[in-house]
Amino acid sequence: DTGVSQDPRHKITKRGQNVTFRCDPISEHNRLYWYRQTLGQGPEFLTYFQNEAQLEKSRLLSDRFSAERPKGSFSTLEIQRTEQGDSAMYLCASSRWVNEQFFGPGTRLTVL
Amino acid sequence: RKEVEQDPGPFNVPEGATVAFNCTYSNSASQSFFWYRQDCRKEPKLLMSVYSSGNEDGRFTAQLNRASQYISLLIRDSKLSDSATYLCVVPPEGGSEKLVFGKGTKLTVNP
Repeated sequence: DTGVSQDPRHKITKRGQNVTFRCDPISEHNRLYWYRQTLGQGPEFLTYFQNEAQLEKSRLLSDRFSAERPKGSFSTLEIQRTEQGDSAMYLCASSRWVNEQFFGPGTRLTVL
Repeated sequence: RKEVEQDPGPFNVPEGATVAFNCTYSNSASQSFFWYRQDCRKEPKLLMSVYSSGNEDGRFTAQLNRASQYISLLIRDSKLSDSATYLCVVPPEGGSEKLVFGKGTKLTVNP
């Protein structure tokens, strides 16, 4: 499968715990994006990398959230001290051009 | 006006019907627009791009009205498999690379 992959697909955690998600983009794509989606809403942009550089961050990305893409390939999104409001689907997308983003299957986070 | 706003739906139509969704946007400088399709509990997938006045792909037609700042998606001869949520997407202002998604319009095609 040469699409975008995300791991894990589901994560259940207790409030206050830290969680980390991984995204593997399509191999020739230099752009990588993280979005968050809650029920009944469209995806909301969190952050964007071009190669290993994090070029854009949303105001939604509080200081509990951090994302990395150390070698310009896979990326991780960490949420520290999770809160119930963090429960959502976390989507990763990659692209070669800004306008055609391909999404992974997402990681569904439930914070109890 | 919000960055992007869609018909809330839901739309319930019989097979074979023609259905249209509208989406309004606030950034008059936007040059490109997109429709994504999202099946229940799945990721969004690009359906169509609209770079000029419109685009047609089989049963699907996307049109752009720059004067009124809206785009539309028309589905002809709808199929059961067209049941999904359709997300309108616009790029934001200022050269940002993030895409701004509408809340989506849910379509159910009934037999």
